[in-house]
Amino acid sequence: DTEVTQTPKHLVMGMTNKKSLKCEQHMGHRAMYWYKQKAKKPPELMFVYSYEKLSINESVPSRFSPECPNSSLLNLHLHALQPEDSALYLCASTPRWDRSRSFGNTIYFGEGSWLTVV
Amino acid sequence: TQLLEQSPQFLSIQEGENLTVYCNSSSVFSSLQWYRQEPGEGPVLLVTVVTGGEVKKLKRLTFQFGDARKDSSLHITAAQPGDTGLYLCAGFNTNAGKSTFGDGTTLTVKP
Repeated sequence: DTEVTQTPKHLVMGMTNKKSLKCEQHMGHRAMYWYKQKAKKPPELMFVYSYEKLSINESVPSRFSPECPNSSLLNLHLHALQPEDSALYLCASTPRWDRSRSFGNTIYFGEGSWLTVV
Repeated sequence: TQLLEQSPQFLSIQEGENLTVYCNSSSVFSSLQWYRQEPGEGPVLLVTVVTGGEVKKLKRLTFQFGDARKDSSLHITAAQPGDTGLYLCAGFNTNAGKSTFGDGTTLTVKP
C-alpha cells in the first residue's frame, strides 16, 4: 500500500467549477510533487515543493494553483479548467530535494486522482 | 534536455515467455529507478540502481545498470499475466533537479 494518499480518487468538474485535489504523506519527506499523466504516457512534472516552498513550476497554466500548507500536505487548486486537462494527477514525495544532488530521489507516488473536465 | 529512450513501447507476449525492456540515454544518471504502473493506479517503485554495472534481482525480474550509468535493462523471466502493466524507467537529472522518465513500455502477458 502506498504511503502517499490522494483524495478524491475520481473527480468530474465543469469548466467553470473550482475544485481541489489533496495529498498527504506521513513518511517525514520534505519534498512533494504534482505530476500529470495521460493514458499510457509517462508522468509529466508540474510542481516541486521543498520544505514547503515552491522550487519548480514547469510553466504550468495559472488555472492550476498548488499549495503546501505544511510538510505533510499538498493541495492542487483547480479553476476554469479545459477538457484537455482531463488526466490522472499524481502526487509524490521524496525524502529531500536538491537541484544539484540526487540523494533521496526515489519517488514515492500516490494512487492518483482521475480528473475529468466536462 | 536529458532524454531517456525506452524500448519497446508496446510488448504483447504469452505467459511463460521471457522479455527485456531497455532504457538508454546519451547522458549519465546518478541513479535510475524502474516503476510498474497498473491501470488506474500510481507508479510503484520496483528498484533503484546507483552503481555502474550493478545487477539487482527481484524474484523473476533482473535489473542491470550499465557500466557508464547511461543505460539500464529490465529482464522478466517466465512472464505471468500479473506482470501486465506500464513499465517506466526514470533517471535523476542533476542539471535540472528532477527525474527524467522514459516513455514507458506497455506490457501485456496473455494467459
